Amino acid sequence: EAQVTQNPRYLITVTGKKLTVTCSQNMNHEYMSWYRQDPGLGLRQIYYSMNVEVTDKGDVPEGYKVSRKEKRNFPLILESPSPNQTSLYFCASSLTFPGQPYGYTFGSGTRLTVV
Amino acid sequence: EDQVTQSPEALRLQEGESSSLNCSYTVSGLRGLFWYRQDPGKGPEFLFTLYSAGEEKEKERLKATLTKKESFLHITAPKPEDSATYLCAVKYGQNFVFGPGTRLSVLP
Repeated sequence: EAQVTQNPRYLITVTGKKLTVTCSQNMNHEYMSWYRQDPGLGLRQIYYSMNVEVTDKGDVPEGYKVSRKEKRNFPLILESPSPNQTSLYFCASSLTFPGQPYGYTFGSGTRLTVV
Repeated sequence: EDQVTQSPEALRLQEGESSSLNCSYTVSGLRGLFWYRQDPGKGPEFLFTLYSAGEEKEKERLKATLTKKESFLHITAPKPEDSATYLCAVKYGQNFVFGPGTRLSVLP
């Protein structure tokens, strides 16, 4: 089954404790992206990757890191999480830059709480 | 300023009561408008892509239309299982921007 898999689904952590959210896709997509979704603010792009070893900042990159060492994996790293990073996170992928014809395929989400 | 807005923010319908959701955009060089459905706590699920004014797409009780300034998602005789948040997204240039969504509740 074609899918984007994120782990974990739920995570509660403390301020400053480094964490990684994993993302993997099995569709051989070149383009991958991380979004956060907050009430009233919608989906905002954190980082994206056009291909292996090619990453760039989205609209809200502060406090996050990413890497793309393999085509299928695109982990999101929070080196020193803070409470304002409490959010619902989505990984998404697309064959090329999102557009034709489906835009993105999304993962199921990771609900992160930083206390 | 490039912008994507959706209205209403929330909509409650009785089962069978048809209505429309709106997605308005002020961007240059539209390359595609996308509709997604999102259930609580889940990732958005693709519904439609529209590319040019006048285009229409249908799927079960949903029909999406596109003009030069906006798109409508028409819901005909909705059922409770149609309750979800509906997101539109716009691709223009190298940008892909989501609207804030419309939260639809269909009551039995």
